[in-house]
Amino acid sequence: AQSVTQPDIHITVSEGASLELRCNYSYGATPYLFWYVQSPGQGLQLLLKYFSGDTLVQGIKGFEAEFKRSQSSFNLRKPSVHWSDAAEYFCAVNNAGNMLTFGGGTRLMVKP
Amino acid sequence: DVKVTQSSRYLVKRTGEKVFLECVQDMDHENMFWYRQDPGLGLRLIYFSYDVKMKEKGDIPEGYSVSREKKERFSLILESASTNQTSMYLCASSQLLGGPPNEKLFFGSGTQLSVL
Repeated sequence: AQSVTQPDIHITVSEGASLELRCNYSYGATPYLFWYVQSPGQGLQLLLKYFSGDTLVQGIKGFEAEFKRSQSSFNLRKPSVHWSDAAEYFCAVNNAGNMLTFGGGTRLMVKP
Repeated sequence: DVKVTQSSRYLVKRTGEKVFLECVQDMDHENMFWYRQDPGLGLRLIYFSYDVKMKEKGDIPEGYSVSREKKERFSLILESASTNQTSMYLCASSQLLGGPPNEKLFFGSGTQLSVL
């Protein structure tokens, strides 16, 4: 069975600083990987996805993620964080039945 | 834009009560899902449905049932609510399974259920 691990439960960064959120997956076949964001009081919104091809994928709101098969990782990055990026971020992997398995989430706080 | 609407934002129920959580989507999506969200555990799939009157168990179906009588509506039912079902419940919808991976779920804003 596939699984997703987000090692960091909470992360605090200063506004304008760079950000990297970690995601590790366990899945036997080629994974389909996703990052979702949940702003306070909202449902989840898709940030970006990786299916195949270029291992560096661009998403909305200035986010990008890099798929590294050798490390079973799909880390999310942003070069300069804005206060509005404070939210909870979820990594997910798609299984053979097209069901998503989510990681435990990372809550991002942004200091002024 | 797709809209997924959950009928209640907050709900407080007593142990043993029967609880209905309602979800409606307006984009004619075939698939609908119920997740529960708990701190540190992320989202866990309770049930999903890929067609009217069809349902499949997810990872944690125990203590829950679902109903899909119409394409746009997917209900989650707690037959006898217990305190360990206190959680945030998220409904989602998407297009057909199969073909390219089901990459985009559209989520409702969630229902925070407290069982006392």
